[in-house]
Amino acid sequence: EADIYQTPRYLVIGTGKKITLECSQTMGHDKMYWYQQDPGMELHLIHYSYGVNSTEKGDLSSESTVSRIRTEHFPLTLESARPSHTSQYLCASSEWLGSGELFFGEGSRLTVL
Amino acid sequence: AQSVTQPDIHITVSEGASLELRCNYSYGATPYLFWYVQSPGQGLQLLLKYFSGDTLVQGIKGFEAEFKRSQSSFNLRKPSVHWSDAAEYFCAVGAGGGNKLVFGAGTILRVKS
Repeated sequence: EADIYQTPRYLVIGTGKKITLECSQTMGHDKMYWYQQDPGMELHLIHYSYGVNSTEKGDLSSESTVSRIRTEHFPLTLESARPSHTSQYLCASSEWLGSGELFFGEGSRLTVL
Repeated sequence: AQSVTQPDIHITVSEGASLELRCNYSYGATPYLFWYVQSPGQGLQLLLKYFSGDTLVQGIKGFEAEFKRSQSSFNLRKPSVHWSDAAEYFCAVGAGGGNKLVFGAGTILRVKS
């Protein structure tokens, strides 16, 4: 069973608030990812990291930012949330080499009013 | 660029009936292929994966998938569906070596009793 955790699982906030979605993994994986998931759509990669102090933007443009100060921790921040940010955010990790298999957290469902 | 097509957005099958979910990919080299399952409110769980060798791969929960290079397909099958299989299924393709995965839009499976 994968050991990757996301908090909060559900969050409802008002427009303009700053939010941070937490993601932690205990598998020692160097690579971590954030995907955005909307109903009926592909999972879109919005951020990824190949190690400490390494962050890159993904295929889908996002106003969120990420940081990677510790190997096990990869938080995502929205400085000023808007209704268009309403979505499910999935965190994942993978080993440096190997198949590229991703291990996913349970997701954070964000609703911005 | 890699891409994945899952032609069926929804599929409904009777409990006990067989199941086949379709997946077509586009990738220039030998792909790494995955099927993930997502239950409501949960993250994605790996069902099975293909890297090389035997083109028929077995996964968890009685699922199997067959890689057909000539058809660029990696269809998921199960001989007898259980009500607990109702979920959303995602096909993904990657290059291996820890590179990013590209996901399809998913197929929602409904099981009727």
